Amino acid sequence: HSALTQPRSVSGSPGQSVTVSCTGTSSDVGANNFVSWYQQYPGNAPKLIIYDVTKRPSGVPDRFSGSKSGNTASLTISGLQSEDEADYYCCSYGGTYTVIFGGGTTLTVL
Amino acid sequence: EGQLVESGGGLVQPGGSLRLSCLASGFSYSTYWMAWVRQAPGKGLEWVTNIKQDGSEKYYVDSVQGRFTISRDNAKNSLHLQMNGLRADDTAVYYCARSRVSGLKVKPNWFDIWGQGTLVTVSS
Repeated sequence: HSALTQPRSVSGSPGQSVTVSCTGTSSDVGANNFVSWYQQYPGNAPKLIIYDVTKRPSGVPDRFSGSKSGNTASLTISGLQSEDEADYYCCSYGGTYTVIFGGGTTLTVL
Repeated sequence: EGQLVESGGGLVQPGGSLRLSCLASGFSYSTYWMAWVRQAPGKGLEWVTNIKQDGSEKYYVDSVQGRFTISRDNAKNSLHLQMNGLRADDTAVYYCARSRVSGLKVKPNWFDIWGQGTLVTVSS
């Protein structure tokens, strides 16, 4: 399996909404609803923000939402805040108990 | 909530070996799949390996198959990664992570607790 495809960067102004896409294949993203998203600040460990495509762990603001259509999953951040500036990674079950990550997207809050 | 603390990283020459450890606390360790995820400097995340609760099943990314071995000691709440035949492209921060399952067929695919990471540098 190759890494899932994410845009290298996205940007938005405070209060706006941004969407990060994550494109895989019918063997991974498109095969099931096992997609998760992680937020990572420089020098820190990743933090889970979405799992099973749409579910948010306790403590994650509802400004973060996930969706999927076919082989592409998406993370939408609404009401953008300066603290949302970070790297975002998608992740999918890849079959046979393996996992695939996306290449990562850097979000800049203008 | 749970905590994971890695150790064992360092500088090693190409072809050398290193053993990483991860100590878990604050949750029922023996009831979870566990995994190692790495991140090369300035690069993205890469899943490396995972292990079932009782250690009976282990899976690896192709690039480390035959060189790395994951193991666990549930009595000591610990996870290990034995890395042999290290190459320059193994240089990365290695994270220990608790792996969660989805679906009726219990596929481990998301990670809800991460350690702080330990840096492995392979260089002569």
